[in-house]
Parts: sequence; structure tokens; C-alpha cells
Amino acid sequence: DQQVKQNSPSLSVQEGRISILNCDYTNSMFDYFLWYKKYPAEGPTFLISISSIKDKNEDGRFTVFLNKSAKHLSLHIVPSQPGDSAVYFCAASVANTGNQFYFGTGTSLTVIP
Amino acid sequence: EAGVAQSPRYKIIEKRQSVAFWCNPISGHATLYWYQQILGQGPKLLIQFQNNGVVDDSQLPKDRFSAERLKGVDSTLKIQPAKLEDSAVYLCASSLRPDRFSYEQYFGPGTRLTVT
Repeated sequence: DQQVKQNSPSLSVQEGRISILNCDYTNSMFDYFLWYKKYPAEGPTFLISISSIKDKNEDGRFTVFLNKSAKHLSLHIVPSQPGDSAVYFCAASVANTGNQFYFGTGTSLTVIP
Repeated sequence: EAGVAQSPRYKIIEKRQSVAFWCNPISGHATLYWYQQILGQGPKLLIQFQNNGVVDDSQLPKDRFSAERLKGVDSTLKIQPAKLEDSAVYLCASSLRPDRFSYEQYFGPGTRLTVT
């Protein structure tokens, strides 16, 4: 049962343009969300997070938007750079399950120079 | 600061054989996680340790998987006997704080296991 879904396995964007990565979830109890970035042969690294009490969180070129009614979050990267090419995972957590995060299947982003 | 270390990086075994993975977390990190990432899927938590105690092992297939974290530092994950469906990347992660907002989980490079 995949509670967190990333329906786009891959995305290609021109350098300098906006990259939008999407994530949907089914569990309305999720109240904390994260994005991780993963390069080949490396472990995931934390990118940005958002709590359910917010609908937007920004960190430099990265902004995460949360739409609780639609159970949808998105990661915007502006402007996109070739170094952003990686696999991006979204993850979600429920308060009373300790520190367990449920991960999506990932979206492979390619930024074309 | 050294990152999370894992070994081996790659392992190929035949089904029904045994295998063990090792993880050394970042110094001082109390919480350690083992994840299984099957090709095309996101990481799935297998077990979480707080120091040398188990916090969550609800998704660990206990009939064949075992894990320990002696002295609250290094950890080993063992599979015995392995099945074809165990082919995956096994990721170890650690975090400093034990509570749910320790989103800063630092991941190791993973061990890619192939079961033939």
C-alpha cells in the first residue's frame, strides 16, 4: 500500500527554467513532509521540509507547497541548474508513529544545459 | 565530520545464503535506521534503534532478517536465508535527535544486494 506517490518517474527541464516535482499522499493524518535528493551511488540527502500548519516553505531556489485538501505537495526549483539533476523523493510522517517516514517512489530530474 | 559508513558497497549471493551488512553512524548520533530500497521504489524503514534499543521494527521480516546495535554505535543487519525478493539497496541512516522532528537523517551510500 503506497501511501506516498510520485506519479512522474522522470522530468527534463532546460537550465534556468522552473522544475516542478509533484507528490500525492493518501493518509490524511500525515502532518510533516520532506524532500530528499539522491545522486547515483550516494544516499539521499535532506533538502527541505514543511509542516502541515504551513502551506509554503522556501529555502533559496527551493520552495515546497502543501495543499492539504488535495493531499498534494510540490517542490519548485527556480532557476534549475545542471547540478540539480538527481532523483528526488518526497516523504511523509504521522505524529504518533515516532520517526517513521513513508517515502514516494522518486522522480528523476534532468536539467539540460 | 565523517558521514555514515556502510560496507560492503555491493554483494552478490545465491538464494538461501546468508549475508550481513555493517553500518557505522555519525559520531554522537543516537538514532540509527535501516531502510530497504527496492528498484523503482522509495526507501522503506526496516528497523529503528535509539542507542542500542529497538524503537520500531514493525516492517522487519523477522523470520529472516535480524539487526543489532551493540554498545549503541555500530549496527549490523543480517538476512538468513536470503530470497530473490531481497535484492535491493540497504540504506543506513542516523540522526542526532530521537524525536520525530529529527528530519536531518544522514544516509550512508547503501549496500546493493543482488540475490541470484
